[in-house]
Amino acid sequence: EVQLVESGGGLVQPGGSLRLSCAASGFTFSSYWMHWVRQAPGKGLVWVSNINTDGSTTTYADSVKGRFTISRDNAKNTLYLQMNSLRAEDTAVYYCARRVGSWFDPWGQGTLVTVSS
Amino acid sequence: QSALTQPPSVSGSPGQSVTISCTGTSSDVGSYNRVSWYQQPPGTAPKLMIYEVSNRPSGVPDRFSGSKSGNTASLTISGLQAEDEADYYCSSYIGSSTWVFGGGTKLTVL
Repeated sequence: EVQLVESGGGLVQPGGSLRLSCAASGFTFSSYWMHWVRQAPGKGLVWVSNINTDGSTTTYADSVKGRFTISRDNAKNTLYLQMNSLRAEDTAVYYCARRVGSWFDPWGQGTLVTVSS
Repeated sequence: QSALTQPPSVSGSPGQSVTISCTGTSSDVGSYNRVSWYQQPPGTAPKLMIYEVSNRPSGVPDRFSGSKSGNTASLTISGLQAEDEADYYCSSYIGSSTWVFGGGTKLTVL
C-alpha cells in the first residue's frame, strides 16, 4: 500500500524553527517528485514547495521562499521541510504528497504546526 | 500567484447533480490541461478525484466527471449521495514547477 506519514509538527514560538518529516512506503520513493501543501485552520489548501527525484531542483511559494527548505533522503525514503523564522501565518496542517504526472496522489494525514507565543 | 476562484458553497439533494467551477486565467487553467480535483471530508486528508481535467482514477465512482472550457474547469457530481458531502478543491499547474489551488467549495447534501 502506498503510504505517506508526516511527523514533526508542534507548537513553536514566532521566529523559531521546526523540521517536518514525511516517511514514504509502498512505492519507489526515489522515482517521484514530492510536494508539501499546507492548510491553515478553516482555510483552503496552499501549495508550499516541491523537490525533484534526486533533490537537485527545488521550488517554493513566494510566502515561504528564503525561510523554508525542502530536502529528501532517498536512502531513508523520507522527505523533509525545514522551517525557519516561523510566523503566526505559518500555522497550518502540513501535508506531504506524491506527484504523479501533474496531480497529487496520495497525500499523508498531515501534521499540525502552531506558531504562537 | 492568486488562488483559483471557486464558489464557497454548493448544495443539492440526493440524486441530483451539482457542478463546481474553478476559474483561473490564461496563465494557469487556460494554458494547461493539468487541472486536478480533490475531495476532503472534514478532518481528513485530500483525496484525488479527477486528474488532467477529465480523467478519473481507479476507484472513483463514474458519478464524478471533469471538464474545462477556456479559463474555467468544472467538476460535476451526478446522482448525489450523502457520502459526497465534503470540501472540494481544484488545482492547476502554473509553470516553472509551481502549482496553485482553488479556495475550496463546501458541498452540502440536503
